[in-house]
Amino acid sequence: QVQLQESGPGLVKPSQTLSLTCTVSGGSISSDGYYWNWIRQHPGKGLEWIGYIYYTGNTGSTYYNPSLKSRVTISVDTSKNQFSLKLSSVTAADTAVYYCARWDYKWFDPWGQGTLVTVSS
Amino acid sequence: EIVMTQSPATLSVSPGERATLSCRASQSITSNLAWYQQKPGQAPRLLIYGASTRATAIPARFSGSGSGTEFTLTISSLQSGDFAVYYCQQYNNWPPLTFGGGTKVEIK
Repeated sequence: QVQLQESGPGLVKPSQTLSLTCTVSGGSISSDGYYWNWIRQHPGKGLEWIGYIYYTGNTGSTYYNPSLKSRVTISVDTSKNQFSLKLSSVTAADTAVYYCARWDYKWFDPWGQGTLVTVSS
Repeated sequence: EIVMTQSPATLSVSPGERATLSCRASQSITSNLAWYQQKPGQAPRLLIYGASTRATAIPARFSGSGSGTEFTLTISSLQSGDFAVYYCQQYNNWPPLTFGGGTKVEIK
């Protein structure tokens, strides 16, 4: 079965770029019909969709939450079966648990275990 | 953007009792709704999709209903492992994909 695992720094300084990677195992990131997403959860709060990348036929397409679009980049490395998130110009408001998740154009399943990123100097 | 509103924010229920959670969409999403369960320190887990279809390995005590703008998640007889936070998510109109604010089911 497909499993996802996030990795990356747990501490980022304000104004810098947050970078996370999600490693997919048990399935190909190039599978038709599956979209690879980032979702975050502020401490003690609800879930916020960040965006996705869809990669098939050697072509990738992305879609981002309009509220974050100016600062977000999602990319894929098919050789490593990974996809990544970059969020620029971070502030304390970007402190959150970041999840990667697979989406089939409907619901999210499965999810990674999540990784806490704290923005602080 | 479709706003998803869940109520109540917290629901206190005794083990063995029924829990009824509500989710309302700001406009019709037909049956394009999923429910997730999140336990402390864990990622959300898919429970229900299509408003009423249980995901793989989800016990029958979990049931979903509704369409349009009003949805319900019912847990027929709460067990100890069911005390968690539950989120609804719409996938009818996006971007953005949106979640409700969650309902925490706690032990009474």
